[in-house]
Amino acid sequence: GQQVMQIPQYQHVQEGEDFTTYCNSSTTLSNIQWYKQRPGGHPVFLIQLVKSGEVKKQKRLTFQFGEAKKNSSLHITATQTTDVGTYFCAAYTGKLIFGQGTTLQVKP
Amino acid sequence: NAGVTQTPKFQVLKTGQSMTLQCAQDMNHEYMSWYRQDPGMGLRLIHYSVGAGITDQGEVPNGYNVSRSTTEDFPLRLLSAAPSQTSVYFCASSYSGGPSNQPQHFGDGTRLSIL
Repeated sequence: GQQVMQIPQYQHVQEGEDFTTYCNSSTTLSNIQWYKQRPGGHPVFLIQLVKSGEVKKQKRLTFQFGEAKKNSSLHITATQTTDVGTYFCAAYTGKLIFGQGTTLQVKP
Repeated sequence: NAGVTQTPKFQVLKTGQSMTLQCAQDMNHEYMSWYRQDPGMGLRLIHYSVGAGITDQGEVPNGYNVSRSTTEDFPLRLLSAAPSQTSVYFCASSYSGGPSNQPQHFGDGTRLSIL
């Protein structure tokens, strides 16, 4: 069954508001990857986190890996319409398993 | 450099028919995998391969077969299509080391409908 839980499933925000998606695992992860899928497109790799407590930034996107390496988050500051899409976390547990994804809608 | 190429892009089948979804990559990636994507279910791993001649099952392998005779190609076969296999199928590949520490490169997907 699903070993990586991602919440929320959907999020609607007004342009300019912040957005956060969370990824949780019951087991300790060696690393975690984040992907973005635009509507009608394919998943595109964003980043990989490896170290406990790691924080990485890509412009308005901030990625965090929990101290226990069981959870991760993606935070977008001041969303734009170009941020629309589904964001997936993925964890390697012998196989690369994806979370259910969080679909972000941004109202202009 | 085309990356990961999937064919066909769209396909409609009747229940019981068989077909092969093609996946080819030109990046000399050793690791290749197939996922299906259904609404609210995320991406679920069907089968994967760590190199030519080696394949293994993912989360949802039933009803699907794979083979890996070359590094470049990783076809997915549906032996007897069922309506439950209606989905979007993605092929992905990565460098040696596989998904444990390498980003996955995805194809554009095959949208498959089973009537």
